[in-house]
Formats: sequence, C-alpha cells, structure tokens
Amino acid sequence: ILNVEQSPQSLHVQEGDSTNFTCSFPSSNFYALHWYRWETAKSPEALFVMTLNGDEKKKGRISATLNTKEGYSYLYIKGSQPEDSATYLCASSSSNDYKLSFGAGTTVTVRA
Amino acid sequence: SAVISQKPSRDICQRGTSLTIQCQVDSQVTMMFWYRQQPGQSLTLIATANQGSEATYESGFVIDKFPISRPNLTFSTLTVSNMSPEDSSIYLCSGWTDYGYTFGSGTRLTVV
Repeated sequence: ILNVEQSPQSLHVQEGDSTNFTCSFPSSNFYALHWYRWETAKSPEALFVMTLNGDEKKKGRISATLNTKEGYSYLYIKGSQPEDSATYLCASSSSNDYKLSFGAGTTVTVRA
Repeated sequence: SAVISQKPSRDICQRGTSLTIQCQVDSQVTMMFWYRQQPGQSLTLIATANQGSEATYESGFVIDKFPISRPNLTFSTLTVSNMSPEDSSIYLCSGWTDYGYTFGSGTRLTVV
C-alpha cells in the first residue's frame, strides 16, 4: 500500500471563485492516478484516470494535471458552484497490482 | 460501467456483536475489494475478495475479525466480528473490470 497525501484537508470557497488542491504520491513503480468525487451516502464518482507524465484532463469546470516524476497531481475547480461541494479523493496504483491507495481527501464546501 | 448495491447504508451496533455488509453487482467484476475509512483517515484496503477461495488480507487485518465471502463474480460480503467502538467507520466495497473501478455507496457503522 502506497503513501498518498492530500492537502488541504478541507477548504471553503465562495461561489464563483476558483480553487485547487494537491495530491502527492510515490513516483516509483507508478502506474495510474485516479481522482474521485465522493458525496455522503453516495458512491465515489470517477473524475479522471491519468497515467502519463504531463497529462492534463478536463471535465466541465474541473481539470487535473499530473507530474509523475515528482509525484504530484493538482485538481482545479473553475467558477465553483454549490453542487461542487463534496470530498475529492485521489488514489494511486502501482505497476504490479490493481490495489488503490487513497489519500484522506479534500473536502470542498462552496458557499453561496 | 457496473453498479454496486451496498447494504446496509448505516447501522448502530452493540459492542461484541457482528455485522455483515453485502455488495451486489449488476454484472460480473473481475476483482472485488473492501475498504475501511476511520474518522479523519484515508480509505484503507482491508482485503481483496477472491471468488471461490479465501480473501487476501492486508497487513493489520485478519480473517477472524473480518471474514469475507465471494461465492460468485457478482456478490461479496464482509463481516465485522466482535465489534468494539474502534470499528466505527465507513466500510466501502469496490469492483474492478476492464472498464475501471466501481464502488458501493458505503456502510456507516457506529459501535456503541
């Protein structure tokens, strides 16, 4: 199991503002980096799966970047809306198994 | 992608008792995993559920405490045995197919 860290643990954003937060992971034996959006009592929703250094992916107002050499990924939310309030999880997997190692998550609260 | 129905969604249990959590998938999944998230902590892998054989447990988790069944490719159960307040957590099942990971909606367990 890999040591994956996310920061900050939580943040509050004013509606309309943009924000970003970090996931760091071990760069050795890296295979893939996953981002999920998790709301209470719901299943985690897959946002992105990234594998290549320099990858950038976008889904609506949410985007993510990946640096496998230094072992970090950023998730960006542009023009935050109340419906973006959730816990965002990142998870890393290594090249030799299918197990995911999760960070503790960043809980985003968007204030109207 | 596959959809997982996880039950119960929450429960409050007396210490010393056991609770069985079920995950039913609407299609066959190659691998199934069970995770635990203690308050303020990351999702931590308990075990990989293998069809027709014993589960493979991660360090710190044992079969006597967390017996797992996986009778077929669409169903698995996790039992939390002889519960103590330290077992109060969210328990989450996950399945993996060639299309990626899918998750249940979690079971929030409180042991009193």
